[in-house]
Amino acid sequence: GENVEQHPSTLSVQEGDSAVIKCTYSDSASNYFPWYKQELGKRPQLIIDIRSNVGEKKDQRIAVTLNKTAKHFSLHITETQPEDSAVYFCAAPIMEYGNKLVFGAGTILRVKS
Amino acid sequence: GAVVSQHPSRVICKSGTSVKIECRSLDFQATTMFWYRQFPKKSLMLMATSNEGSKATYEQGVEKDKFLINHASLTLSTLTVTSAHPEDSSFYICSARGQVTGELFFGEGSRLTVL
Repeated sequence: GENVEQHPSTLSVQEGDSAVIKCTYSDSASNYFPWYKQELGKRPQLIIDIRSNVGEKKDQRIAVTLNKTAKHFSLHITETQPEDSAVYFCAAPIMEYGNKLVFGAGTILRVKS
Repeated sequence: GAVVSQHPSRVICKSGTSVKIECRSLDFQATTMFWYRQFPKKSLMLMATSNEGSKATYEQGVEKDKFLINHASLTLSTLTVTSAHPEDSSFYICSARGQVTGELFFGEGSRLTVL
């Protein structure tokens, strides 16, 4: 399968609701899992990341959970706001690529007000 | 956080010409920079890794003679798209790893349109 799979490809939520985006990775040696937010025509920006020695990390409305056994990690956004609308990418270092970050396909998040 | 600057942000050129894109780390030194290509509504595809003082390493399927990379100093990497064709039109983004946290910082991106 793909080195980093991301789902869903698009996600629409009502303002105030929660959004969850999931990624799975293939390399059991991966130890760093960042999430990037990219607004239209702009550069990706890191919003949160997690290392393999913890299972969850939270920063205000954003949280990331990691299940090393199952090799998947998820981005959780609570109390979504219109400005959360963007494309979100997960990534993981894959040994097959020299431990370089491989990005998921991306999720277009639309927050409807 | 660390700042990576990319120039130009937009370029339009005629088919057959070459275009150079610069990527600079403004407040830190980067021995390694990465070049990505991004199609509309698609993910970031790593093209090559730029190594200061040595040859770039290219990902499978990326033509090294087409996409020339030069990493002349610890703060500058350039990508030259040679003999550009319309199919080379894309969004090209560079990145560099911050020295303190190892976080990947991206440049603003360069949108290339080949007529």
